[in-house]
Amino acid sequence: AQTVTQSQPEMSVQEAETVTLSCTYDTSESDYYLFWYKQPPSRQMILVIRQEAYKQQNATENRFSVNFQKAAKSFSLKISDSQLGDAAMYFCAYRIFYNTDKLIFGTGTRLQVFP
Amino acid sequence: DTEVTQTPKHLVMGMTNKKSLKCEQHMGHRAMYWYKQKAKKPPELMFVYSYEKLSINESVPSRFSPECPNSSLLNLHLHALQPEDSALYLCASSQGDRSGETQYFGPGTRLLVL
Repeated sequence: AQTVTQSQPEMSVQEAETVTLSCTYDTSESDYYLFWYKQPPSRQMILVIRQEAYKQQNATENRFSVNFQKAAKSFSLKISDSQLGDAAMYFCAYRIFYNTDKLIFGTGTRLQVFP
Repeated sequence: DTEVTQTPKHLVMGMTNKKSLKCEQHMGHRAMYWYKQKAKKPPELMFVYSYEKLSINESVPSRFSPECPNSSLLNLHLHALQPEDSALYLCASSQGDRSGETQYFGPGTRLLVL
């Protein structure tokens, strides 16, 4: 069975600094997708970044980038130049490439940003 | 436009009430989802509709009844709920071609069962 693990329940960072959120997953599949979602206190879940497992290049979206290590089954999120608006719960999620519509979520990391 | 809308934003109901949650998207997505989320926990999948047909039911109690009237709308009918059903109910949609595309979430309905 596929599982997603986020070992950091809470993280904090100062404004303008860089923070990395960890995510590991377990799967026997070779084709899959990985996602980072952000859920601010206002509660709407927003996609931050997505990575296709078949792509070796790490995905980036502005200040957000991932370090995807397929062999190690690791998918960490780096937030550069942190802003107050980055404060949220961050969920790592996994999805098999075919057959199922299921997203498997990690337990989340709550990120606090201090001025 | 990646908007999924949900109504109402908040709902308080008694255990004998019948109510419905509504979800709408106009992105041409053919897959729609209901999730239940407890505080400080990840969302838990409840139902998946693919091309207006129920494709996944994650062993959800029958007091929750989903309905997909058309490809843009998804309802969740609630009847005889329990206090432990109080949670944030999230709707999501995706293209539905099963190629791992992104799910887009609505803002949720905060449900309180008294």
